[in-house]
Amino acid sequence: GAVVSQHPSRVICKSGTSVKIECRSLDFQATTMFWYRQFPKQSLMLMATSNEGSKATYEQGVEKDKFLINHASLTLSTLTVTSAHPEDSSFYICSALVKGPGSEKLFFGSGTQLSVL
Amino acid sequence: AQSVTQLGSHVSVSEGALVLLRCNYSSSVPPYLFWYVQYPNQGLQLLLKYTSAATLVKGINGFEAEFKKSETSFHLTKPSAHMSDAAEYFCAVSWGTGFQKLVFGTGTRLLVSP
Repeated sequence: GAVVSQHPSRVICKSGTSVKIECRSLDFQATTMFWYRQFPKQSLMLMATSNEGSKATYEQGVEKDKFLINHASLTLSTLTVTSAHPEDSSFYICSALVKGPGSEKLFFGSGTQLSVL
Repeated sequence: AQSVTQLGSHVSVSEGALVLLRCNYSSSVPPYLFWYVQYPNQGLQLLLKYTSAATLVKGINGFEAEFKKSETSFHLTKPSAHMSDAAEYFCAVSWGTGFQKLVFGTGTRLLVSP
C-alpha cells in the first residue's frame, strides 16, 4: 500500500526553539495533507488542512503563526512549531489524501513525539 | 459539538474470544464512519468504513462493524481474536465529505492474551 513517511519520529528541543516535522508521500502525489495533534489519553485533533500550492486552512483555536505549514510540492508537507513551549509537547501525526476516479484514500504517517523542555 | 466516544481505553480478551470495541457518535445525521488500527511505531491503517451503503461493513483481518442509526453506534467486532490483533483502535467520524474533517475517538487498546 501507499506509504507516508513522517520524520523525525521523536524530537526533544529546548523551550523557545523551532522544530520542523516533515511528511512525505513516498509513492504517490497528495494534493491534500492533514496535520493532527494528540495529547496523552485524548483523541487525535485536526489542526490544519494543507493543500499543495496554497495556504493551509487551520482549525479553530490553532495558532497559524505558531504552527507554520508549508505544502510546496505534491509529495511534501512540513509543520514547523515555532518558539516551542512545554505545552506544545504532544504527538503530531500527518496524513495524505489520494484522490482517484470515484474514490479517495487517506494514508497516515507514523507520528512525531515532540517533547519541549 | 460533534464528538466520538469510545468506551474503554483498554479491552482485554483471550485468543479465540470475541472482540467487541464500542464507538458512539453524537450526531443524529448519518455521517461517514471509520475504524482505524495502529500498530506500534506505525501509522494508522484503515480497517473499514461506512459510507451510507450496507449497515454491516466488512473490513480487513476479519473485522466488521455495524452502523446502528437508532443507537448512533458503530461498534467493531471480530469473532475470534488473534494475538496479532493486539493494537490501538480508533473510531473516526466525518460530518463532511469523505475523509475531510475527521473527528477521532480517544482510542481503545486491545490486549490479547494466550
